[in-house]
Amino acid sequence: GAVVSQHPSWVICKSGTSVKIECRSLDFQATTMFWYRQFPKQSLMLMATSNEGSKATYEQGVEKDKFLINHASLTLSTLTVTSAHPEDSSFYICSTNSGRDEQYFGPGTRLTVT
Amino acid sequence: GENVEQHPSTLSVQEGDSAVIKCTYSDSASNYFPWYKQELGKGPQLIIDIRSNVGEKKDQRIAVTLNKTAKHFSLHITETQPEDSAVYFCAASVGNEKLTFGTGTRLTIIP
Repeated sequence: GAVVSQHPSWVICKSGTSVKIECRSLDFQATTMFWYRQFPKQSLMLMATSNEGSKATYEQGVEKDKFLINHASLTLSTLTVTSAHPEDSSFYICSTNSGRDEQYFGPGTRLTVT
Repeated sequence: GENVEQHPSTLSVQEGDSAVIKCTYSDSASNYFPWYKQELGKGPQLIIDIRSNVGEKKDQRIAVTLNKTAKHFSLHITETQPEDSAVYFCAASVGNEKLTFGTGTRLTIIP
């Protein structure tokens, strides 16, 4: 399957600051990337779908001005959590497909906002 | 939109026995059904998938069955081993569109 990396693997930030998470597709060109959020002992919730070169499509209830997504190249998508608050603390995971059905996930980024 | 239900939420199985996890979906347009294994602190790993033109698929100790009429699909793990302990998620999608996940099953293999 595809290899997807995320950076950082974990980050701690202070309330009110912004944090950027990178998602890279290492072995193929990812025209579409997906961003998920997972709270402890819960399922994955899709936040947005990111297409290279165009604006991301956000799921209902996800604030697009708070969770900024940039998909500037076929191998990199970034998620920026702006003005982070403790309730944004979560496990953020990206995934990608190569235009086919299969989605491959990154290792995730643990965000803790203090 | 699609709704995926998954049962049971927790499952404990004696090592060497079989484990079965079941999911149902609501959208008859869904045609792709993957299963993911997630270990603590890691991203989900695709372990097997099935498409709507197939009723069953097997890969060594893992198998998935699909009943399109009843809109349910199941994961079967035989000869379970301690390393099978993890959280398993089913999902459904229409082709390469967004996945809708089930609520997860925490599988514990008892040595």
